[in-house]
Amino acid sequence: KQEVTQIPAALSVPEGENLVLNCSFTDSAIYNLQWFRQDPGKGLTSLLLIQSSQREQTSGRLNASLDKSSGRSTLYIAASQPGDSATYLCAVRGGGGADGLTFGKGTHLIIQP
Amino acid sequence: GAVVSQHPSRVICKSGTSVKIECRSLDFQATTMFWYRQFPKKSLMLMATSNEGSKATYEQGVEKDKFLINHASLTLSTLTVTSAHPEDSSFYICSALWGQGRYEQYFGPGTRLTVT
Repeated sequence: KQEVTQIPAALSVPEGENLVLNCSFTDSAIYNLQWFRQDPGKGLTSLLLIQSSQREQTSGRLNASLDKSSGRSTLYIAASQPGDSATYLCAVRGGGGADGLTFGKGTHLIIQP
Repeated sequence: GAVVSQHPSRVICKSGTSVKIECRSLDFQATTMFWYRQFPKKSLMLMATSNEGSKATYEQGVEKDKFLINHASLTLSTLTVTSAHPEDSSFYICSALWGQGRYEQYFGPGTRLTVT
């Protein structure tokens, strides 16, 4: 059974810092990996999608990498802003493609003004 | 990105009643939709996978007779919580799968269910 772990569970940094969120998964036979953002009491916003054949994806100040063989992904946030404060979730999709996502427990991020 | 709507956003019901939650993909057709449940400060737990025109596939431990799922069209899936009890109180989130081959998942805004 796939298990997804996110480290750290919580992180508080001053505005302007660059930071890295980590995600690991136990079964490397994935179809793709998605990073999401969730604000309190809200649904999920998709940030980046990395297919299993890709190494990284970038969107604005966000960069996600994938090392499928070692079961790891990182989300890099450059020049953090208070508006980046949220819970960041990593999720992997099984090799079948149409399987549901398996989520980590998330990293609760606070950016101090 | 694609948009998924969910209705209602909040619902309070009495114990023993049934509640229906709707999930719609607004700008794309989704042959597969998913229903998740999220407890406070916990991650999302997949409840079931819903395929248009066929029966839903439930995860282990999820009662299919309690959580009725209908995926009648390519843009609509419904979750009905039957004979709700206080322990069913939770945040329910639906998701729609988009893109042949790409398989990117988009999520609705969630429904907060409180059973009194």
